[in-house]
Amino acid sequence: DVKVTQSSRYLVKRTGEKVFLECVQDMDHENMFWYRQDPGLGLRLIYFSYDVKMKEKGDIPEGYSVSREKKERFSLILESASTNQTSMYLCASRDRGLRNTEAFFGQGTRLTVV
Amino acid sequence: AQKVTQAQTEISVVEKEDVTLDCVYETRDTTYYLFWYKQPPSGELVFLIRRNSFDEQNEISGRYSWNFQKSTSSFNFTITASQVVDSAVYFCALSEVNTGNQFYFGTGTSLTVIP
Repeated sequence: DVKVTQSSRYLVKRTGEKVFLECVQDMDHENMFWYRQDPGLGLRLIYFSYDVKMKEKGDIPEGYSVSREKKERFSLILESASTNQTSMYLCASRDRGLRNTEAFFGQGTRLTVV
Repeated sequence: AQKVTQAQTEISVVEKEDVTLDCVYETRDTTYYLFWYKQPPSGELVFLIRRNSFDEQNEISGRYSWNFQKSTSSFNFTITASQVVDSAVYFCALSEVNTGNQFYFGTGTSLTVIP
């Protein structure tokens, strides 16, 4: 089974802290994604990566950066956490080879910034 | 512009009732893919089905069925004889060939099945 693992289910951080959210997938997928989920807004794409060291901005990249040093790992970084970044963060991976493949999701990280 | 619209924010049904979740999409691509995901309270999105734009056949899988109609740009999802375990948030998503890797998600429909 494809497995996408996010390092934490729940995180509480202080305003101004640098926050790292880690995601690891075990299916050798080229594509990895970070989404943010808020009530009434659905899933919004923050960043995605289609290969090691490659990244593309999604719809809401402001206040975030990403790192992909290894194929299996995609990190989301909040450079200086703010309360409006309190949200559920979802990581996903997807095979590049076939366009119609589904994305596989991690269990989510619920981040609270106080 | 919203590429995927799920107009129903919340739905409540009594157990054993049938329920249909609506999804309307917008795309200029001739080749695209549509998906449904389920998000139970545990939080992880679970893949349910995908459809490509060339395959308008409806599909049935147990109590689940999907109705894809290109003429109305809709990809609706019906649960027959709903059960409490069906309570979840359901997302419809679109993937276009020209934008490659991205998924465009609707805002989700929260389904509550009352025992």
